[in-house]
Amino acid sequence: DVKVTQSSRYLVKRTGEKVFLECVQDMDHENMFWYRQDPGLGLRLIYFSYDVKMKEKGDIPEGYSVSREKKERFSLILESASTNQTSMYLCASSWGGGTGELFFGEGSRLTVL
Amino acid sequence: AQSVAQPEDQVNVAEGNPLTVKCTYSVSGNPYLFWYVQYPNRGLQFLLKYITGDNLVKGSYGFEAEFNKSQTSFHLKKPSALVSDSALYFCAVRPRYSGGYQKVTFGTGTKLQVIP
Repeated sequence: DVKVTQSSRYLVKRTGEKVFLECVQDMDHENMFWYRQDPGLGLRLIYFSYDVKMKEKGDIPEGYSVSREKKERFSLILESASTNQTSMYLCASSWGGGTGELFFGEGSRLTVL
Repeated sequence: AQSVAQPEDQVNVAEGNPLTVKCTYSVSGNPYLFWYVQYPNRGLQFLLKYITGDNLVKGSYGFEAEFNKSQTSFHLKKPSALVSDSALYFCAVRPRYSGGYQKVTFGTGTKLQVIP
């Protein structure tokens, strides 16, 4: 089974802090994604990566950056956390070809005070 | 632009009764269609997908989905609901183009409540 592991399930940070969310997948997937989930808004794509060191902006990239130095690891960075970034963050991965179903991690719930 | 609509924020159904969670979509061409389920405080899990062929797709946990091209719908169904089916369900669509990454668009989710 595909396993996508997010390093932190729950985080509490203060406004202005730098936040790192880590995600690791163990199935050699080419594509990796970071989504943000908010009630009533569904899932919104922040960034995705289709190869090592490659990244593409999603729908809501402002205030975020990403890093993919190794194929299995995709990090989401909040350079200066703000209260409106309080949310559930979901990492996902998928094969490069095929139909593209996504495999999700358990999520990281971030609260910014 | 592609979009997915889940018109019901919440669906309530009695245990043992059939359930339907609705989804309509707008995308060019013939898309791939997906359903995912999310249990409380968990990530999303893939349930089923439509690629081509038979309009009735069977998936995990006894769920199935009916693809209707003329109505651009992909409704999720189950003949007999269980209390353990209570969760948040997301419909998603992905264009069927070759070359490059094709973005997956999610609906806003429908909360299914199965009443004992």
